[in-house]
This record gives sequence, C-alpha cells and structure tokens, in this order.
Amino acid sequence: AQSVTQPDIHITVSEGASLELRCNYSYGATPYLFWYVQSPGQGLQLLLKYFSGDTLVQGIKGFEAEFKRSQSSFNLRKPSVHWSDAAEYFCAVGAGSNFGNEKLTFGTGTRLTIIP
Amino acid sequence: GAVVSQHPSWVICKSGTSVKIECRSLDFQATTMFWYRQFPKQSLMLMATSNEGSKATYEQGVEKDKFLINHASLTLSTLTVTSAHPEDSSFYICSARVLAGFHNEQFFGPGTRLTVL
Repeated sequence: AQSVTQPDIHITVSEGASLELRCNYSYGATPYLFWYVQSPGQGLQLLLKYFSGDTLVQGIKGFEAEFKRSQSSFNLRKPSVHWSDAAEYFCAVGAGSNFGNEKLTFGTGTRLTIIP
Repeated sequence: GAVVSQHPSWVICKSGTSVKIECRSLDFQATTMFWYRQFPKQSLMLMATSNEGSKATYEQGVEKDKFLINHASLTLSTLTVTSAHPEDSSFYICSARVLAGFHNEQFFGPGTRLTVL
C-alpha cells in the first residue's frame, strides 16, 4: 500500500523568504504525485501534479516541485512567499492503473504560517 | 472548468437524525466520485469510492450502513449519514474524477461541516 510522509507539521516563514515543504512517498510502482492547498474551512485546490516526464513541475501561484525517485521525494518550493500563501498543504500519491480506480493517499499536511 | 460543489456547506443536526450531503460536478461528467472525511487538524481519509450506476466501494473500517452513498447520475453523488452521533461530526469533502488523457485527476468540492449535537 502507498503512503505519504510530510515530516513538518508546522512551518513559519517570513514574507518574501523562500519556502520548501517536504514530502516523501512509498509506492511500489511509478507514482502519481500531487500537492494540494487548503485554506481554513475550504476544500482542496490542486497546486501541481507529476505523472511522468520532466521531474521539475511548475504549478499555480508560483509553486514548483521536484520529483526525485532516488529519494522517494516530491518537495514543494516557492522562491518568495506571500502572506496569502498561509494555508495547509497536503502532498498526495495516487495509485492504480492509468484507467484504474485511482485512489489518493494524503500526507498529514504541513501548516504554513507567514510572518511579516 | 472542473468545478465541484457541495451542499450544504454546513449542517447542524440532533443525535439520531440522518443528514444528506450532495456533491455535484457542475461543468463535467464524473463517472467516479470520492468521499473523504477530515477531522480537525488532520489529513483527509478516503471513506468510499462512488461509481455512477453501481454500488460504492467502502474503505476498511467505514460502516456501509451508516454512510450511505448514492451515485445516480454522472453529475451527482450523495452521502447520507444515518443515525448521526456526535462522533460523526467532521468535515466531509467529495471529489470528482475527470479523465484527462491517460491519467485521471480529482477535483475537490469545498466541503461540508457536519456538527452533531
């Protein structure tokens, strides 16, 4: 079974500073990897995804993530955070065949706080 | 595009009553919808997978008779929490799957906050 680990429960970053959120996954085959963001009381918004190809993927809101198979990681980065980036971030791995019943397994999330 | 709505956004009910939550894909057809629950400050846990026209597939530990799922059309799935109790209070989120090329993506609804008194 697949699993996702987000080692950092809470991260505090100054506005304008760079950000890296860590994500490690466990899955026997090629994973489908996702990063979602959730604002308080809201659903999830997809930031970016990796299916195949270029291991550096660009997402919305200036976020990017790099898939490193050797490290089983898919860390999320942003060069300069904005106060509006404060939210909960979830990494997820999808399992299943291409047309299969792909389930998402989520990490426990990282809460991002931005300070002035 | 790919908008998913949920109704209601929040609901308060008395213990022992049943509550129905709707999940709709507004601008696309979703053959598969997923139901998750999220406890405060925790991650999303998949409850069940709902395929249009067939019975839902529940995850281990989820009571089928308590959480009734119906996916009668390609744009609507419903989750009914029967005989709700305070421990059922949670944030329930649905997602709808869109086939995109050889891969599929899930789009999430805004969630429904259920409080059982």
